[in-house]
Amino acid sequence: DGGITQSPKYLFRKEGQNVTLSCEQNLNHDAMYWYRQDPGQGLRLIYYSQIVNDFQKGDIAEGYSVSREKKESFPLTVTSAQKNPTAFYLCASSTQNNQPQHFGDGTRLSIL
Amino acid sequence: AQSVTQLDSHVSVSEGTPVLLRCNYSSSYSPSLFWYVQHPNKGLQLLLKYTSAATLVKGINGFEAEFKKSETSFHLTKPSAHMSDAAEYFCVVRVSSNTGKLIFGQGTTLQVKP
Repeated sequence: DGGITQSPKYLFRKEGQNVTLSCEQNLNHDAMYWYRQDPGQGLRLIYYSQIVNDFQKGDIAEGYSVSREKKESFPLTVTSAQKNPTAFYLCASSTQNNQPQHFGDGTRLSIL
Repeated sequence: AQSVTQLDSHVSVSEGTPVLLRCNYSSSYSPSLFWYVQHPNKGLQLLLKYTSAATLVKGINGFEAEFKKSETSFHLTKPSAHMSDAAEYFCVVRVSSNTGKLIFGQGTTLQVKP
């Protein structure tokens, strides 16, 4: 079945460490997105990419980095500069920018 | 600027009774609006979307929503709640068709009592 796969499901980070969250889609979607979800809040956009080798900052990009070397992959790195990284991270994709986004099942990141 | 407000953070209904989840939006032009559902520790699933066609939109699992421009509302309804409907629901407005950027409401937790 086509879909979006996020891994790992749970991730733990030590202070001062960078970690990378994986997002892979086999839907042949051009656009991909990373969101952060905190308890009791809606989703906030971190980064998005409309095409391979191009990406833009969202509303809360500080402390995060991304790459888009392949159409199907959009990994997110949470750097040590992100002082409050504990959250649920969701990856999404869409065929075109005016189509609904499809979501993965998320990665929950916690600090040790 | 576009924004979306979900008027209830928590709604509790009994199984078999109607569901109403309220959403108001703000947009300077005709918006694209969505409702998504999220079960615990899962991603979001699209329930339905409004994109300036019919004002009454039917979605999956018996949900529907009505776009009311005069009230700037897009409330989600279901005639009869099922236990499996217990989840968090998000009302979403698309900021830009060029970038696909979305703005999410704060979410409404739906509790369904037996």
